[in-house]
Amino acid sequence: DAGVIQSPRHEVTEMGQEVTLRCKPISGHDYLFWYRQTMMRGLELLIYFNNNVPIDDSGMPEDRFSAKMPNASFSTLKIQPSEPRDSAVYFCASSLTGTVYEQYFGPGTRLTVT
Amino acid sequence: RKEVEQDPGPFNVPEGATVAFNCTYSNSASQSFFWYRQDCRKEPKLLMSVYSSGNEDGRFTAQLNRASQYISLLIRDSKLSDSATYLCVFRGSSNTGKLIFGQGTTLQVKP
Repeated sequence: DAGVIQSPRHEVTEMGQEVTLRCKPISGHDYLFWYRQTMMRGLELLIYFNNNVPIDDSGMPEDRFSAKMPNASFSTLKIQPSEPRDSAVYFCASSLTGTVYEQYFGPGTRLTVT
Repeated sequence: RKEVEQDPGPFNVPEGATVAFNCTYSNSASQSFFWYRQDCRKEPKLLMSVYSSGNEDGRFTAQLNRASQYISLLIRDSKLSDSATYLCVFRGSSNTGKLIFGQGTTLQVKP
């Protein structure tokens, strides 16, 4: 079975550009999480969805970040406009009700903003 | 005070050694605890849950001390393949999907 799929795997963009990260969760999973990982701050939860509905977006840094989940098999994280301090690895993860703590992570998108 | 604190290491140990990591948490209401493992430039993966009575999975033993607010992970007979970063994770309550991750402790097992 396919795991969590993320695209692109690497993204290099210039400051001020819009960046869209994509995620396909494991089929049947009803929770989806977006994380950001940096050396300085570690792994931080940005937002999570349950049954396509955003439940907690308190980790979203500011209005430049937005996330959507239009259906059970797709989610996007958008940064507009991007800034150098957004450079990080962005992970998407999914899990099931009942074992929500067992989160399956995608391979991540390594974002570099110059 | 950080919600979760871990010694970042690295812990450099020879093959066959026993090594232990601790992790402290500040929220006394925390309900559930876990250890995740992250290999270099890879995604985190669940290693094991941590139960109040302590639990073992092969060479790995996890323990919880609620009074002192820390969890621990003990690895016996270390293998080269155990080299990774070990993330301490907790969940605030049973009705949230939110997990809080520590910064991780890096283990290097040398031949």
